[in-house]
Amino acid sequence: DAGVIQSPRHEVTEMGQEVTLRCKPISGHDYLFWYRQTMMRGLELLIYFNNNVPIDDSGMPEDRFSAKMPNASFSTLKIQPSEPRDSAVYFCASSWTGRLGQPQHFGDGTRLSIL
Amino acid sequence: KQEVTQIPAALSVPEGENLVLNCSFTDSAIYNLQWFRQDPGKGLTSLLLIQSSQREQTSGRLNASLDKSSGRSTLYIAASQPGDSATYLCAVTWPGAQKLVFGQGTRLTINP
Repeated sequence: DAGVIQSPRHEVTEMGQEVTLRCKPISGHDYLFWYRQTMMRGLELLIYFNNNVPIDDSGMPEDRFSAKMPNASFSTLKIQPSEPRDSAVYFCASSWTGRLGQPQHFGDGTRLSIL
Repeated sequence: KQEVTQIPAALSVPEGENLVLNCSFTDSAIYNLQWFRQDPGKGLTSLLLIQSSQREQTSGRLNASLDKSSGRSTLYIAASQPGDSATYLCAVTWPGAQKLVFGQGTRLTINP
């Protein structure tokens, strides 16, 4: 089975530009999560979806960040305008509800550098 | 506030030793707890998931235990190998939400 697929793997762009990160969850998974990892703050949940509906976006740092999930196989995280402090590794993860709690499966991440 | 803590931040041991990584959490009414491994520049790999009703889970040389009453979990690695070198993260889910709350991780180095 293919795992969670994220693109691009690396992104370097200048401050003020729009950045779009993409994620394809594992087929059949009904939860999708976006995380950000930095040295200072570790791994933080930004937003998560259930059946394509945003459930909790309390971790989204500010209005410059937005996330969408137009269908069960695709999600985007957009930053507009980008700032140097947005530099981090962004992970997407998915899981299946199941009868009991199921493990989250992570993509390899997008390493974002804002100059 | 629901928080997860991992101490120490880094650990270095000689190859072949058995070792224990620690994880503590506030609010013992957890839903489940998950241990991950992260290699440099890579994503997270799920190692073990313990449900709140379970006391331990085992996979190969790894054994994770859960003591909800004390708010602690341990990851035991037997006969450590250099390939075990990585950062190990503990993450907790509490009822009412599917989101994971992560500890800061323990960076493990196994010296040949």
